[in-house]
Amino acid sequence: KQEVTQIPAALSVPEGENLVLNCSFTDSAIYNLQWFRQDPGKGLTSLLLIQSSQREQTSGRLNASLDKSSGRSTLYIAASQPGDSATYLCAVRAGGNQFYFGTGTSLTVIP
Amino acid sequence: SQTIHQWPATLVQPVGSPLSLECTVEGTSNPNLYWYRQAAGRGLQLLFYSVGIGQISSEVPQNLSASRPQDRQFILSSKKLLLSDSGFYLCAWSVQGFYGYTFGSGTRLTVV
Repeated sequence: KQEVTQIPAALSVPEGENLVLNCSFTDSAIYNLQWFRQDPGKGLTSLLLIQSSQREQTSGRLNASLDKSSGRSTLYIAASQPGDSATYLCAVRAGGNQFYFGTGTSLTVIP
Repeated sequence: SQTIHQWPATLVQPVGSPLSLECTVEGTSNPNLYWYRQAAGRGLQLLFYSVGIGQISSEVPQNLSASRPQDRQFILSSKKLLLSDSGFYLCAWSVQGFYGYTFGSGTRLTVV
């Protein structure tokens, strides 16, 4: 069974710093990988979706990479802002209709 | 464009009372629909998913049930709530193939 791990569980950085969030998965046979943001008490907002054939996706200050063979993805946030404070989750779509989630990284950006 | 609606946003129910949470999707046909629960400080737990009307798959044994009476409607129910049913319930949809998830805004359920 696919297992998804996110390290670190929590991260605190000063405003303006560039940062990297990590996501690893145990089975490289995936359809895609998706990064989400969750604000406290809110639903999940999709940030980036990377297909298994792609190496990276970019949206504004966010860049997500995928190394399927090593079972790893990173979410790079440039020039962090206090508004980036949230929990970030990654999810892997395996065969069929199964998605597997990591437990998330709680990010705090200090003004 | 596709949208997903989930209600109510918050709910406080006594132990032993029934539950009905509803999720509807607009702008797409024959979506895959999912119910997740997120307990405080924990990750997302898949409860049910459906690939079509009347087709429900359950991931974990529990006090809850799901139904899909229409193509774009997914309902989460319980006959008698337990304290352990408290949590944040999220509905999501996707389609077959190389697509991702889209989530609803969630329902905060507190069983007292």
